[in-house]
Amino acid sequence: NAGVTQTPKFRILKIGQSMTLQCTQDMNHNYMYWYRQDPGMGLKLIYYSVGAGITDKGEVPNGYNVSRSTTEDFPLRLELAAPSQTSVYFCASSYWDRGTYNEQFFGPGTRLTVL
Amino acid sequence: AQTVTQSQPEMSVQEAETVTLSCTYDTSESNYYLFWYKQPPSRQMILVIRQEAYKQQNATENRFSVNFQKAAKSFSLKISDSQLGDTAMYFCAFGAGTALIFGKGTTLSVSS
Repeated sequence: NAGVTQTPKFRILKIGQSMTLQCTQDMNHNYMYWYRQDPGMGLKLIYYSVGAGITDKGEVPNGYNVSRSTTEDFPLRLELAAPSQTSVYFCASSYWDRGTYNEQFFGPGTRLTVL
Repeated sequence: AQTVTQSQPEMSVQEAETVTLSCTYDTSESNYYLFWYKQPPSRQMILVIRQEAYKQQNATENRFSVNFQKAAKSFSLKISDSQLGDTAMYFCAFGAGTALIFGKGTTLSVSS
């Protein structure tokens, strides 16, 4: 199993440009997440999905959009990139069963710089 | 809202010594989970250990153990026989709902 894969690993954007960060998991997990990690900080939740077709906002959703058309894929879309979106982005997945909080598996991260 | 606080931004330890990283949290939930994740320079997030709040016994994974004090809302990580490969940022995380709430992390440096 490849686990959680993310592309690209690095990207530099100009202000106002758009891009999509790709995330795929092959563990048949129902839950998927997008976090951002700013320098010297912990991870903050951007969006999450509890299954195909169902998404919801996290703590810091402004400036982002997501979709979940399949169990495996959970892309994050940045529209009109701003310097405040310079960060490292992590995708994660887990199998959430009633009453049990299972480990979240993380992708390797995407370092995004907006200039 | 839940919060997670790691009060030690940086710590250092010599090889083979023991070090303890602190974490406190605030919640009104009675059923939750606590985690320690390791993030080495490669940036990969790696689960170190996990604790279910309903279990009184402290979790242990090889050289890693926790001291879980539910009443005090404290969840510290003890690393025994520290190794150079333990050098990383360590995050404490709280889970009771959909996603994890992370602390700001503690950077641990292990020297020879």
